[in-house]
Amino acid sequence: GESVGLHLPTLSVQEGDNSIINCAYSNSASDYFIWYKQESGKGPQFIIDIRSNMDKRQGQRVTVLLNKTVKHLSLQIAATQPGDSAVYFCAESSNSGYSTLTFGKGTMLLVSP
Amino acid sequence: DVKVTQSSRYLVKRTGEKVFLECVQDMDHENMFWYRQDPGLGLRLIYFSYDVKMKEKGDIPEGYSVSREKKERFSLILESASTNQTSMYLCASSLGLGREDYNEQFFGPGTRLTVL
Repeated sequence: GESVGLHLPTLSVQEGDNSIINCAYSNSASDYFIWYKQESGKGPQFIIDIRSNMDKRQGQRVTVLLNKTVKHLSLQIAATQPGDSAVYFCAESSNSGYSTLTFGKGTMLLVSP
Repeated sequence: DVKVTQSSRYLVKRTGEKVFLECVQDMDHENMFWYRQDPGLGLRLIYFSYDVKMKEKGDIPEGYSVSREKKERFSLILESASTNQTSMYLCASSLGLGREDYNEQFFGPGTRLTVL
């Protein structure tokens, strides 16, 4: 079936750098996208979401960009901190059915002091 | 804040045992979900429920069943545990269809199950 995937399994950055985590999706019917952060030993936590009628959405230090033409999603983290070290998942959903989410395999972000 | 709790953080069972994983949410959410998480495979949906006594198969339902007798509680059952069911199990909940932000799922802390 169609799935959500990630380009890079591990991303290493220095504290203070900006981080970009990428995600490719294949289901053209998907109209909602969400990023989760999962720290070691914890469940995934919501970071930011975006609907398909938008191409950019900003939160606190995070920005999500959506390019529907190439089915690409990215999460930008400004001034990355050691506390940002975690696994990041993108997920997609469509308005049809029961609003289930399809998750990517995750990217590990490692932030060095 | 939404709170999703899972009955155990760590669980060790033997092959063939019947295993119950319990999940409770306190925000009156209609939808509840069970996932398993394995390295390199991400989160995979086992079962979900959109109402009391209702259930739908996810992507990997084989070897599992579920029960939702009350709105706030969703149980995952391994009828006869096998070693390939050793995994991290995550429960989540969300608002029902047609309600604002119904897509966002809130997760519990997970149960790490080891089957020997």
